[in-house]
Amino acid sequence: DAGVIQSPRHEVTEMGQEVTLRCKPISGHDYLFWYRQTMMRGLELLIYFNNNVPIDDSGMPEDRFSAKMPNASFSTLKIQPSEPRDSAVYFCASSAPGLAGGPSTDTQYFGPGTRLTVL
Amino acid sequence: AQSVTQLGSHVSVSEGALVLLRCNYSSSVPPYLFWYVQYPNQGLQLLLKYTTGATLVKGINGFEAEFKKSETSFHLTKPSAHMSDAAEYFCAVSGYSSASKIIFGSGTRLSIRP
Repeated sequence: DAGVIQSPRHEVTEMGQEVTLRCKPISGHDYLFWYRQTMMRGLELLIYFNNNVPIDDSGMPEDRFSAKMPNASFSTLKIQPSEPRDSAVYFCASSAPGLAGGPSTDTQYFGPGTRLTVL
Repeated sequence: AQSVTQLGSHVSVSEGALVLLRCNYSSSVPPYLFWYVQYPNQGLQLLLKYTTGATLVKGINGFEAEFKKSETSFHLTKPSAHMSDAAEYFCAVSGYSSASKIIFGSGTRLSIRP
């Protein structure tokens, strides 16, 4: 398997523009996670899906952020409108169900990330 | 609920020296514990994990960690550091529960001196 695939790898945009980040999880994984990493706040879980259904979006910072998973092999994270404080590296990760049936106990496989810069 | 604390945001050791990265956790259910490594401009990758059974866990690249319930710790060690070990290391905790989410620590940057 090619691993988790994210695109684009780098995105530079201007404040107010819409940004769409894309992720293809590992085939057969039931869970998909979106994270944001910054120097100030570290690694933050934004949202995760189970079988294409959003389960917990409590980490989404505000209404400007939205995420979808239309099928098992594709997810998007959209920011509209973007702001300079959204500049960060965004990671997608996927995993199989854990021993307890939840998202927590199995290995998460991370993509290479998308480095977003909002000017 | 779970939480994790990594002691020391930056650790520097000489090549060939012992590596010790500290991690303490709290968990209201039996914990599952992980160490992930992040090399520059890459995503995180699993180094090792503890679920159940043997408390000394061996991972990739010569790293190991020991689960100590009495100390609520899961410190990461490697007997002899190599230049290629320079990276950021994240400790993470989750619980044996269908509702548990994995919680990552703030990370420790490991530097290796020649």
